[in-house]
Amino acid sequence: EAGVAQSPRYKIIEKRQSVAFWCNPISGHATLYWYQQILGQGPKLLIQFQNNGVVDDSQLPKDRFSAERLKGVDSTLKIQPAKLEDSAVYLCASSLGSEPKAETQYFGPGTRLLVL
Amino acid sequence: GNSVTQMEGPVTLSEEAFLTINCTYTATGYPSLFWYVQYPGEGLQLLLKATKADDKGSNKGFEATYRKETTSFHLEKGSVQVSDSAVYFCALTTGAGSYQLTFGKGTKLSVIP
Repeated sequence: EAGVAQSPRYKIIEKRQSVAFWCNPISGHATLYWYQQILGQGPKLLIQFQNNGVVDDSQLPKDRFSAERLKGVDSTLKIQPAKLEDSAVYLCASSLGSEPKAETQYFGPGTRLLVL
Repeated sequence: GNSVTQMEGPVTLSEEAFLTINCTYTATGYPSLFWYVQYPGEGLQLLLKATKADDKGSNKGFEATYRKETTSFHLEKGSVQVSDSAVYFCALTTGAGSYQLTFGKGTKLSVIP
């Protein structure tokens, strides 16, 4: 079974530029998550989708971050314009969505973003 | 709100030593508890989990018991190997609306031969 795929793996941009990250979840997984992991901290949820609907985006900085999950499969996370403090690893995770409180979330390898 | 506190690292142990990584939590509602591990160069993966009080999760020689009275979920292994070197994250989800994982800051373990 293929895992969660993410691209690119690394990205370096200058502040005020825009950047987009792509995620392809495990086939059949209804729930998709984007987390931000700043160096030395645990991941923090940015947004959660159930199929193509948003369940929770309370911690997403909506003035600069946006995300979509068209057709309930792939997802894209965008930052425009980027700030220095956005330097982090962006993790995509997916889960079946049938038993959300107890089920395993499967994580992709992450995209490491450096904003200069 | 929900929060997870785990012991500060890094932790360095000799091979075959006993490992304990402490984890305590605060949560609204009745959480499920998880340990995730991140090996060098790899993504986060589930190590073990427990969904109700007194449950014991176990995998690859690691164990953790859900202690509701002490709000703890300490990770233990009787004899660590070099291959256990990784960053370990304690996490919870309460299922209140969003099922996001709330993570601790992580504990880096290095096992030396």
